[in-house]
Amino acid sequence: TQLLEQSPQFLSIQEGENLTVYCNSSSVFSSLQWYRQEPGEGPVLLVTVVTGGEVKKLKRLTFQFGDARKDSSLHITAAQPGDTGLYLCAGARIQGAQKLVFGQGTRLTINP
Amino acid sequence: DTGVSQDPRHKITKRGQNVTFRCDPISEHNRLYWYRQTLGQGPEFLTYFQNEAQLEKSRLLSDRFSAERPKGSFSTLEIQRTEQGDSAMYLCASSLVPGQDYGYTFGSGTRLTVV
Repeated sequence: TQLLEQSPQFLSIQEGENLTVYCNSSSVFSSLQWYRQEPGEGPVLLVTVVTGGEVKKLKRLTFQFGDARKDSSLHITAAQPGDTGLYLCAGARIQGAQKLVFGQGTRLTINP
Repeated sequence: DTGVSQDPRHKITKRGQNVTFRCDPISEHNRLYWYRQTLGQGPEFLTYFQNEAQLEKSRLLSDRFSAERPKGSFSTLEIQRTEQGDSAMYLCASSLVPGQDYGYTFGSGTRLTVV
């Protein structure tokens, strides 16, 4: 059973389009993080959201934590080929958690 | 500090052989984690250390797996009598406790192929 479900699993769009990736769970998380992973490399942390309803922006990327802290979304505006990669959400069940639970990832391809 | 280092980057081994991987975390980080990632999946937790103490092990970590972190610095992950199902990317990460953002810094991983 996947504790964090990401959708879509695969997304291929044209450069300049907007997109949203979702991360859903029936469980409450103390915090949730988004990572991006390139082929053959480890995940790189993009953002951490902690408060329900929190919105964080990182250039063209907007991250939101659901009010109930069970879900999150990642919105990319005007996608560029450099945004291509595997996007992973990961949640900590308790504050200061010793481990993270990862979703299965969304593989994003931005075509020039 | 150049981040989290893992060695080797790639390992091909025959079934039944033992393998050992090394992870050097960011020096001021006191937590070190091992995760395993198979194709098309997100990383799965294996174990973590706080300083030299191994505080939690996943049920995924069978008796053939052992991890150490002597002196609270680098860590090793050993797999004995490897099986084809052990083929995966083994990721090491470190973090600072208490860390406001709970963010991990991952290494580039060791890709293990068991033939």
